[in-house]
Amino acid sequence: AQKVTQAQTEISVVEKEDVTLDCVYETRDTTYYLFWYKQPPSGELVFLIRRNSFDEQNEISGRYSWNFQKSTSSFNFTITASQVVDSAVYFCALSVRGQGAQKLVFGQGTRLTINP
Amino acid sequence: NAGVTQTPKFRILKIGQSMTLQCTQDMNHNYMYWYRQDPGMGLKLIYYSVGAGITDKGEVPNGYNVSRSTTEDFPLRLELAAPSQTSVYFCASNGDRDYGYTFGSGTRLTVV
Repeated sequence: AQKVTQAQTEISVVEKEDVTLDCVYETRDTTYYLFWYKQPPSGELVFLIRRNSFDEQNEISGRYSWNFQKSTSSFNFTITASQVVDSAVYFCALSVRGQGAQKLVFGQGTRLTINP
Repeated sequence: NAGVTQTPKFRILKIGQSMTLQCTQDMNHNYMYWYRQDPGMGLKLIYYSVGAGITDKGEVPNGYNVSRSTTEDFPLRLELAAPSQTSVYFCASNGDRDYGYTFGSGTRLTVV
């Protein structure tokens, strides 16, 4: 069975601090994809990143970075110099194959609050 | 470029009523999905479709039905609404199984 665990339910930091959101996954598939989505207070889901299971290179996009480690089944997300606009619920998700479709299994989400 | 369009955005239903949540995409995507998000939780897959005429159950299909008569449309039907179906419903699509989804903006449903 596939599972995604985001152990941090809520995180609160002061603006400009760095913050890391943890994500641990379980799957028996050898080929899979990992995602991070942002859900701001307005409620929509915003795609942040997709990572192929064969690509363990870390990725940086502006203030965002992602650390993928297959050895520990983790795909952590770091925001550097956080800003109030980063306040949102962040979801980690695992994509599993099923009859041609890529079904997503979501973690429970981490609510991040950036205080001014 | 509309992407994935969901209607309505909000709805209040009484117990036992039925309704259809509409989802349309204009990207010619083969794969479409319905998820529900309960308060404080992640999303769970209700149903999905790999193409017109082909649908299958996800993790939480009970109480719902779907159809896929065209590539563009993937409506979700609630036949006998129950309070446990109070949730936010998201429709999504992707055109290639190796790429991330495009999500609709969601439908907030309350059953009273």
